[in-house]
Amino acid sequence: DTAVSQTPKYLVTQMGNDKSIKCEQNLGHDTMYWYKQDSKKFLKIMFSYNNKELIINETVPNRFSPKSPDKAHLNLHINSLELGDSAVYFCASSQGYSNQPQHFGDGTRLSIL
Amino acid sequence: QQPVQSPQAVILREGEDAVINCSSSKALYSVHWYRQKHGEAPVFLMILLKGGEQKGHEKISASFNEKKQQSSLYLTASQLSYSGTYFCGTEPLIAGNNRKLIWGLGTSLAVNP
Repeated sequence: DTAVSQTPKYLVTQMGNDKSIKCEQNLGHDTMYWYKQDSKKFLKIMFSYNNKELIINETVPNRFSPKSPDKAHLNLHINSLELGDSAVYFCASSQGYSNQPQHFGDGTRLSIL
Repeated sequence: QQPVQSPQAVILREGEDAVINCSSSKALYSVHWYRQKHGEAPVFLMILLKGGEQKGHEKISASFNEKKQQSSLYLTASQLSYSGTYFCGTEPLIAGNNRKLIWGLGTSLAVNP
């Protein structure tokens, strides 16, 4: 049973396109996150939702829009993709947003041509 | 403010020990440690909450000096499976509910036979 699953695993697309990444967790957690990890391995928090409410909204271009239809799902939509968006995007979840371990999905490797 | 991890990289022979440090300029609520193997997702190792607390996980343990705002991860009798990038994540002591992890840049650990 996969605890945090992301789809797709790989995404290769052209500049200017719009794409979505989906994330689902079956751990019963109430908090979910989106991270971006660039080629230098830096893990940058983008967004976090707790019980479907946006609680962390970092300085991210407004081309990125998260959506949490319920506690178990957190999707990320990206408009007008740019070369700099190429990275690995990780979804994670935790029970609560403080002092709790985060469980990561396998990541979505986004490559912009 | 991003925590500083040291060293940036370390190479060990199987069976050797290593220490990875994580220092913050801010007062901390907790320190988290994760390991990420190449091409995989970060995996939670442990959380340290109180000053001087030490925790263990297999042959990996950690300490947290609250006063110095520092944590150290100890890897003893290293195994090949310990290879990867180790990240610390710090939760600063701030008012309000929206604590978030601030991640270090990682320490790359390679264990050779």
